[in-house]
Amino acid sequence: AIQVTQSPSSLSASVGDKVTITCRASQGIGDDLAWYRHKPGKAPELLVYAKSNLRSGVPSRFSGSGSGTDFTLTISSLQPEDFATYYCLHDYGYPLTFAGGTKVEI
Amino acid sequence: EVQVVESGGGLVQPGGSLRLSCVTSGFIFNKYYMHWVRQPPGKGLEWVANIKYDGSETNYVEFVKGRFTVSRDDARNSVFLQMNSVRADDTAIYYCVRDMGGVIAPHGKAALDIWGQGTMVTVSS
Repeated sequence: AIQVTQSPSSLSASVGDKVTITCRASQGIGDDLAWYRHKPGKAPELLVYAKSNLRSGVPSRFSGSGSGTDFTLTISSLQPEDFATYYCLHDYGYPLTFAGGTKVEI
Repeated sequence: EVQVVESGGGLVQPGGSLRLSCVTSGFIFNKYYMHWVRQPPGKGLEWVANIKYDGSETNYVEFVKGRFTVSRDDARNSVFLQMNSVRADDTAIYYCVRDMGGVIAPHGKAALDIWGQGTMVTVSS
């Protein structure tokens, strides 16, 4: 099974900061990777899919990039509602796998 | 409004069974893959299973194979997760999720776009 490793596991940041989160897959997965934001007590939200496609309605401060095995989620200017846990998910064959998550704290 | 709503969670004894239901609305149900994702207390998200838009294919994570079964009923716009031989480590919030992919859009892009609020399953004696 393909493993995905996310880093860092947590980070501290301030409103307005640029934040970068990375995911590394154990083998090439093309562009079959997405990013999710999960706030406590809420359902997770899809932000970016197919590596770099911004979901409709998601603010443009979010962007995804990468290729092969290494992928990045960038938040260009952190907003108060962005303090949450972020996950990447690969969909390159079964089983799908979420990485361990990155908790973004104030 | 496009939405999915889970039900059926609760307290179940180890070795017991539980059936989760997910009713969908606001979209053409039989054109989308559907997934179940769970989150154990204090842990991250785990993909559990999915079912193809026509019900012809199901897939499972290794640790539920042979115990869980996903199915769908297009007449009721619903997807189900039958959980048998449950264990303590099956304790989690279970989310029903729509995949953007299926008949209309390409599948396999990790685009799980519509999530329910989840239903809590607790396995304990």
